[in-house]
Amino acid sequence: AQSVTQPDIHITVSEGASLELRCNYSYGATPYLFWYVQSPGQGLQLLLKYFSGDTLVQGIKGFEAEFKRSQSSFNLRKPSVHWSDAAEYFCAVESNFGNEKLTFGTGTRLTIIP
Amino acid sequence: GAVVSQHPSWVICKSGTSVKIECRSLDFQATTMFWYRQFPKQSLMLMATSNEGSKATYEQGVEKDKFLINHASLTLSTLTVTSAHPEDSSFYICSARAFGMATEAFFGQGTRLTVV
Repeated sequence: AQSVTQPDIHITVSEGASLELRCNYSYGATPYLFWYVQSPGQGLQLLLKYFSGDTLVQGIKGFEAEFKRSQSSFNLRKPSVHWSDAAEYFCAVESNFGNEKLTFGTGTRLTIIP
Repeated sequence: GAVVSQHPSWVICKSGTSVKIECRSLDFQATTMFWYRQFPKQSLMLMATSNEGSKATYEQGVEKDKFLINHASLTLSTLTVTSAHPEDSSFYICSARAFGMATEAFFGQGTRLTVV
């Protein structure tokens, strides 16, 4: 069965600083990979996704993620965070034979300090 | 992107009553809809998967008689929490996908259920 690990429960960064959120997955092949963001009391918004091809994917709001097969990782990055980036971030995987079920990591809460 | 509308955003109900939550895909046909439950400061737990016109598939440990899911049309799925109890209080989120592989899931804004 597929699983996702987000080792950092809570990260605090200064506004304008760079950000990296870690995500590791366990799956027999290369899954489909996603990063979602959730503001308090809201649903999830897709930041970016990886299905195949270029391992560096660009998303919305200036986010990018890099798929590293050798490390089973899909870390999310942003060069300069804004106060509005404070939220909960979830990494998710889906098997690549299309059973459509997403498995989510436990999430990383991002706090931005001035 | 596509829009999934979930209603209501929040609901308070008395213990023992039932409450229905609706999930609508506004601008696409959702062949598959998913229902999640999220406890405070935790991740999303998949409760069930529903395909239009067929019975929902429930995840292990989810009581299908308590959480009734109906997906009667390509744009609407409903989750009914029957005989609600305080332990059913949670944040419920739906997502919807159109037919085909490699398509993303679109999420509703969630429903905060409080059972008193």
